[in-house]
Amino acid sequence: GIQVEQSPPDLILQEGANSTLRCNFSDSVNNLQWFHQNPWGQLINLFYIPSGTKQNGRLSATTVATERYSLLYISSSQTTDSGVYFCAAREGGSEKLVFGKGTKLTVNP
Amino acid sequence: GAVVSQHPSWVICKSGTSVKIECRSLDFQATTMFWYRQFPKQSLMLMATSNEGSKATYEQGVEKDKFLINHASLTLSTLTVTSAHPEDSSFYICSASAGFGGYTFGSGTRLTVV
Repeated sequence: GIQVEQSPPDLILQEGANSTLRCNFSDSVNNLQWFHQNPWGQLINLFYIPSGTKQNGRLSATTVATERYSLLYISSSQTTDSGVYFCAAREGGSEKLVFGKGTKLTVNP
Repeated sequence: GAVVSQHPSWVICKSGTSVKIECRSLDFQATTMFWYRQFPKQSLMLMATSNEGSKATYEQGVEKDKFLINHASLTLSTLTVTSAHPEDSSFYICSASAGFGGYTFGSGTRLTVV
């Protein structure tokens, strides 16, 4: 099956800073999503981005499928951005999502 | 947007009892739902895939007799943890395909077995 690796595992920022989170995947995928898990455990869809670039406010994501990686950019970070960010991918022909281990982001005031 | 409701949010039960967790898709029909388990500070691990009207498909290492999954309708899937023990304490999350290629997740259930 596919492997999904995220880096860095932990990230600590001051409010207002920018950051880039990376997700590498081992094989071609036809579904790549980024999620934010808040401190209460809720997973929030950020982006469905199998390829290309999308932006939503201070967040944007880019997936380069041919090079098997995706990046999540957070600009002007806020304390409410704290939590764990997961990327997850689906193998072709399967409905199962495989999650990376996540990046724990802490934004300090 | 697609919404998945999961109940209860948290539950404490005595060792040896059974606990049922419900997962409902509120505004769409979910032919397939998924159940995950998440230990503290770890990632989500898929337990089983639930298809409406058929038996669930369990991942390797997941005891199907302990974790009973029923997908009785296109909007409801349930996970029953039978004869729960302290090692079953965990965070359980359901999800459903929302039809746009993405997946929508429930808010999770924190199970504590004492």
